[in-house]
Amino acid sequence: AQKVTQAQTEISVVEKEDVTLDCVYETRDTTYYLFWYKQPPSGELVFLIRRNSFDEQNEISGRYSWNFQKSTSSFNFTITASQVVDSAVYFCALSERNAGNMLTFGGGTRLMVKP
Amino acid sequence: DTEVTQTPKHLVMGMTNKKSLKCEQHMGHRAMYWYKQKAKKPPELMFVYSYEKLSINESVPSRFSPECPNSSLLNLHLHALQPEDSALYLCASSSRQGVSYEQYFGPGTRLTVT
Repeated sequence: AQKVTQAQTEISVVEKEDVTLDCVYETRDTTYYLFWYKQPPSGELVFLIRRNSFDEQNEISGRYSWNFQKSTSSFNFTITASQVVDSAVYFCALSERNAGNMLTFGGGTRLMVKP
Repeated sequence: DTEVTQTPKHLVMGMTNKKSLKCEQHMGHRAMYWYKQKAKKPPELMFVYSYEKLSINESVPSRFSPECPNSSLLNLHLHALQPEDSALYLCASSSRQGVSYEQYFGPGTRLTVT
């Protein structure tokens, strides 16, 4: 069974639109961490956020916001007023204590922001 | 400075060649990682070094040989590769190896095996 599911493989929006990238995870661990990474066409994965399983507070950083809901095992990512520079592949990832602490990535969502 | 550097940026090699990929970080991180990423797929973990010792080897073929000469450097030696090994090879580092530590990635080496 896939541990991290990003159901949206590709999303296309027009600049200034808001967009939400979905992430659903599966774990039996009580201690785990969730991450979001951005991979622009240049190839480098850029760390965006880390959230631990004990902290369900939502977070906002500029135009980015994250909604963590343990009840639905989801960790969704919203970009407000999208820009062309947001075009990239976004990966959600899970790190579990009982799985060797390694990152398990979702399949990624390719976001295309058109001018 | 959250920078991981990788050289070369691109590499084309024949199946009989021997080459090496290099990764460097100066953040004082004690865990370093090699990932392989095929097109339109997420990264797949290959190796983990923790305090310069090989911690995890995800059943990678022996034609890939990692080396960690010191806490800042990580190499991946390549020998007798196959065309299916063509991929983006990403290096990453984290403060420590552990569930809570975020990994910082380099820009990758795009490898083509002919």
